[in-house]
Amino acid sequence: QSALTQPASVSGSPGQSITISCTGTSSDVGGYNYVSWYQQHPGKAPKLIIYDVSKRPSGVSDRFSGSKSGNTASLTISGLQAEDEADYYCCSYRNSDPSILFGGGTKLTAL
Amino acid sequence: QVQLVQSGTEVKKPGASVRVSCKASGYTFTNYDINWVRQATGQGLEWMGWMSPKNGNTGYAQKFQGRVTMARSTSESTAYMELSSLRSEDTAVYYCVKALDPSLSRRGFDFWGQGTPVTVSS
Repeated sequence: QSALTQPASVSGSPGQSITISCTGTSSDVGGYNYVSWYQQHPGKAPKLIIYDVSKRPSGVSDRFSGSKSGNTASLTISGLQAEDEADYYCCSYRNSDPSILFGGGTKLTAL
Repeated sequence: QVQLVQSGTEVKKPGASVRVSCKASGYTFTNYDINWVRQATGQGLEWMGWMSPKNGNTGYAQKFQGRVTMARSTSESTAYMELSSLRSEDTAVYYCVKALDPSLSRRGFDFWGQGTPVTVSS
């Protein structure tokens, strides 16, 4: 099965905003509001930062926001900080096997 | 505080089986599904399946059907994932993850175990 499509890398300067896209199909991203995003620092377990497309868990900075248009979901990080440098993965429910699908991951570099 | 503590590093030969445990604490174990996700070195995340600690029901990704078994001990608040007929491509870090929602794993995973490295090599 193919992963959701994410850019391999994005970069930005401190203070800037960046957006990471996650493209799927009408059977997953486009069909359900069950998109989540995870941040993973090297050697660490992933951390949930967005769920249900745009909701933030308690304790997650409001600099992180999520949205969706059609079959593409997006994660926006505003006021980029050095600590935001990490890998980011989107995830979506889908109505066929496998029922949970991750994106290939995007490496964010803070310049 | 919620914690998922996994068992340690495993090294296995091709064709063998591995069992990874995941001890949960800080919440009612039977109320939230446990899912398993793996990550090969330098690669992305791959979902393997889910298990309901309440009744033991499971759902596996077709890729792993026939090779994976997810189970639990409610008395010990521990989930288990066993993968059989191991091959080199199964070398990865295996994570147990707690579902965010009591009813729907699909909404996301709010707590992750520390990961268990599994190496398959002759």
